[in-house]
Amino acid sequence: QKEVEQNSGPLSVPEGAIASLNCTYSDRGSQSFFWYRQYSGKSPELIMFIYSNGDKEDGRFTAQLNKASQYVSLLIRDSQPSDSATYLCAVNLRGGADGLTFGKGTHLIIQP
Amino acid sequence: KAGVTQTPRYLIKTRGQQVTLSCSPISGHRSVSWYQQTPGQGLQFLFEYFSETQRNKGNFPGRFSGRQFSNSRSEMNVSTLELGDSALYLCASSLSGVGNQPQHFGDGTRLSIL
Repeated sequence: QKEVEQNSGPLSVPEGAIASLNCTYSDRGSQSFFWYRQYSGKSPELIMFIYSNGDKEDGRFTAQLNKASQYVSLLIRDSQPSDSATYLCAVNLRGGADGLTFGKGTHLIIQP
Repeated sequence: KAGVTQTPRYLIKTRGQQVTLSCSPISGHRSVSWYQQTPGQGLQFLFEYFSETQRNKGNFPGRFSGRQFSNSRSEMNVSTLELGDSALYLCASSLSGVGNQPQHFGDGTRLSIL
C-alpha cells in the first residue's frame, strides 16, 4: 500500500462545477495535512492545510479531514480554467521524520 | 515578503561531476527541506535542516549531502553525478520544521545530467 495515495486522473470538471480531490494515507498517527497546486513546469504552491477533523474553508477551497478513515479531500467550488493543474496531497507521516510524504498528484482539467 | 529563492534555476552537468545548489528561505524561517521531483517517483524527501543541524534524512545515497548556515541559507551537494540524478530539486522553508508547519517551496533547480 502506498503511504499517501491519490487518483492520478485526469479528473475533468466543467467550469463552474465543484471539483473533488481525494487522498488517503497510511499512518493513523499523522497530524498535519497539506494540499499543494502545481502548474506544469512550476513548483508546488501551498493552497490549504488542515490539522483537525472536519472542514476548513478558504475562499473557493475547502479541505476536509477524517482521521478515523485516514482520508483527506479538497473541494474547489466554482471551478475556473485557471484551476487546471496537478494537485498534490502531502502528509507528515510519522511526525515528519521522513519529511512531508507526497502523493503522486491528481491532474485536474477544468473544461470551459 | 520575499519567497524562497533557489539558485541556479537550470544546470547541465555530465556524469561523474559534482554540483552545489543553493536555497535562501523566507525571512524568519529556520527550517529548510530539500526534495527531488521526477516524473516517475514524484516528490521525494532528501533532508531537513534546522539551526544548522540535519534533523531528518530521506532514503537517498550518501552522494547527496547538505548543510545550513547561521543565516538559515542552505546548500545541497550531489557528488559523482549519475544520469538518474536528472530531476527538479526543490527547497522548502518553514518556521520551525516539517512536523506541523506549512512548507513553502522555491521555484526549484532543474538539473540535467548528460
